[in-house]
Order: sequence, then structure tokens, then C-alpha cells
Amino acid sequence: AQSVAQPEDQVNVAEGNPLTVKCTYSVSGNPYLFWYVQYPNRGLQFLLKYITGDNLVKGSYGFEAEFNKSQTSFHLKKPSALVSDSALYFCAVRKGGSYIPTFGRGTSLIVHP
Amino acid sequence: KAGVTQTPRYLIKTRGQQVTLSCSPISGHRSVSWYQQTPGQGLQFLFEYFSETQRNKGNFPGRFSGRQFSNSRSEMNVSTLELGDSALYLCASSDLTGPNTEAFFGQGTRLTVV
Repeated sequence: AQSVAQPEDQVNVAEGNPLTVKCTYSVSGNPYLFWYVQYPNRGLQFLLKYITGDNLVKGSYGFEAEFNKSQTSFHLKKPSALVSDSALYFCAVRKGGSYIPTFGRGTSLIVHP
Repeated sequence: KAGVTQTPRYLIKTRGQQVTLSCSPISGHRSVSWYQQTPGQGLQFLFEYFSETQRNKGNFPGRFSGRQFSNSRSEMNVSTLELGDSALYLCASSDLTGPNTEAFFGQGTRLTVV
């Protein structure tokens, strides 16, 4: 079985400050981890993924994520938040051999001017 | 490459009716998955098709069905609509050439059942 937890329904941050959106996972074997962003009334857009290698993964729009195997976490980060980053963020996990990712419930990021 | 295209974007139906949603995947992608998104339940997996065969199925009643054509385009059908079926239905395609392939989503079809 595989599962994902996003412990925060909402994250608030001031523009220009660093942001972190948390994600923890549970999967047997090596995980494949993904972050997606969703703007209102739109589909999900792929941000970044971790497959293997460096624990720090860089993605689109200045986002990065840190894979921590011991803590089974894959937190999304950005050094300086923009108001335009306000959106719904989803973490997903897939284990090798599984074609279907499991998504977290999503975290609403609100960046205040 | 063109992205994943879902039609229609918006749909209003009456309880008891049936509805068909369409999804055209990215060219070359053979896997198409469908998700239901609601504020209360988040993103829930409906089913996945690969080369015209349903390969995986989520925990939804039989009123929800789908199919995939030889050109990889997929349709999803919901019969005997209920108010609780109101949701954003998302289609995602993937080439699944390896374990690290991500899914690409369409913009979704917003279904409202009245």
C-alpha cells in the first residue's frame, strides 16, 4: 500500500518570505515522489519529482523539494514566495511497479502581499 | 506537443440523467487515468486505461465506467447521476515508459448535478 499525508490544510506566508509545504509518505520499497500545483478551476500542473540521486530536487517556478528517507518526507520549498504562488499544492507518491500515484489531500498556499 | 484536452469544460445535468466526458491524451501517451476531485474528498482515483484495457480501478460504484479507443482517447460515463457526483473530473495521461514518468493533467470537466 502507499499513502501520502499533507498535514496542513492551509499555509500562510508573506510575500518575499521562504515557504514550506509539508508532505510525508508511506510506501514499501523505493518511492517515486511528485509535487503538483493547481490554480482555480484548472487541472494539476507538474512541478517536480524525486526518483533517485540528490535529495534536493529543483523544479519549475523556483520551487524545490527535499527528500528525507529517514523521516519519509518530501517537503516543498521556495526561498522567496510570490503572491502568484497562491494555489493548491498536491504531493503524490508512486512505488515502482505501480502505475497509479496516490495523492495527498492538498495544501492551500496563500501568499499575502 | 498539445496537452491533455478534456471536453466539455462545464456541464450541468439533472439527477437521474447520464453523462459522458471525453479526454484526448498527449500524443504518444497510452495510459489515461481519471480522477474525481471534490472539496471534501480531495483527489480520488476512478480508473486507468492502457491500450484500450482497464488496468486499474478505484473504489467507485458501477455507475462510473469508462473506455479507451485505439487512438488512446478515453471517455468516462456516469449513469443515474446523483447530487454527490458534482465534482471536477480530471483526466491524466502518461507515457509510462519508465517508473519515473509523471502524469500530465487536463483542465478538467466541472460537472454540476441539480
